[in-house]
Amino acid sequence: GAGVSQTPSNKVTEKGKYVELRCDPISGHTALYWYRQSLGQGPEFLIYFQGTGAADDSGLPNDRFFAVRPEGSVSTLKIQRTERGDSAVYLCASSPLGLAAQETQYFGPGTRLLVL
Amino acid sequence: SQQGEEDPQALSIQEGENATMNCSYKTSINNLQWYRQNSGRGLVHLILIRSNEREKHSGRLRVTLDTSKKSSSLLITASRAADTASYFCATDAFNAGGTSYGKLTFGQGTILTVHP
Repeated sequence: GAGVSQTPSNKVTEKGKYVELRCDPISGHTALYWYRQSLGQGPEFLIYFQGTGAADDSGLPNDRFFAVRPEGSVSTLKIQRTERGDSAVYLCASSPLGLAAQETQYFGPGTRLLVL
Repeated sequence: SQQGEEDPQALSIQEGENATMNCSYKTSINNLQWYRQNSGRGLVHLILIRSNEREKHSGRLRVTLDTSKKSSSLLITASRAADTASYFCATDAFNAGGTSYGKLTFGQGTILTVHP
């Protein structure tokens, strides 16, 4: 079946604008994760969904960042009043069960966000 | 700071040689995973080793885990030019409540270059 997909693949925006990044997980996967990767660094955890609920949002850097997963499948990461420091690759991953099930996480190709 | 620290930061070898990368971490873990990333996108899962396992093999990959030293190593045998990529270790750690959601904490990665 299809892997994790993310749209758009690239997004260029201006400082202060609002952006939405979309993630389509593997069909049937309960757990969904968002990570952010800056140049030359490893990915950093942002938020984890178990079904429709955000089980852990401790990685969101501030209240400009928000994510939803209303039907337990597709997720949208929303960034308000973007800043140049938000420029990074935003990665989405999914796994079948989550909840420490010792699972592989399957990553999408990422969305490269550039804030000018 | 990130949980996992890879060593070395960069490794350059000839095709056919073995490549060894090391990872250290700080807190108790549920499992440790290794990922490969090409061209700054698309993390690919390589291997998952549970905290009660000491060694695991997958094709040309061999991973060891020493929980007493809080370290892991990834060995790639008989390297190929196609192995050129960044390699990350990621830990699935227990939170303060003693549970784990499977959120991964990544190191900064090792950049491996294999020359034909």
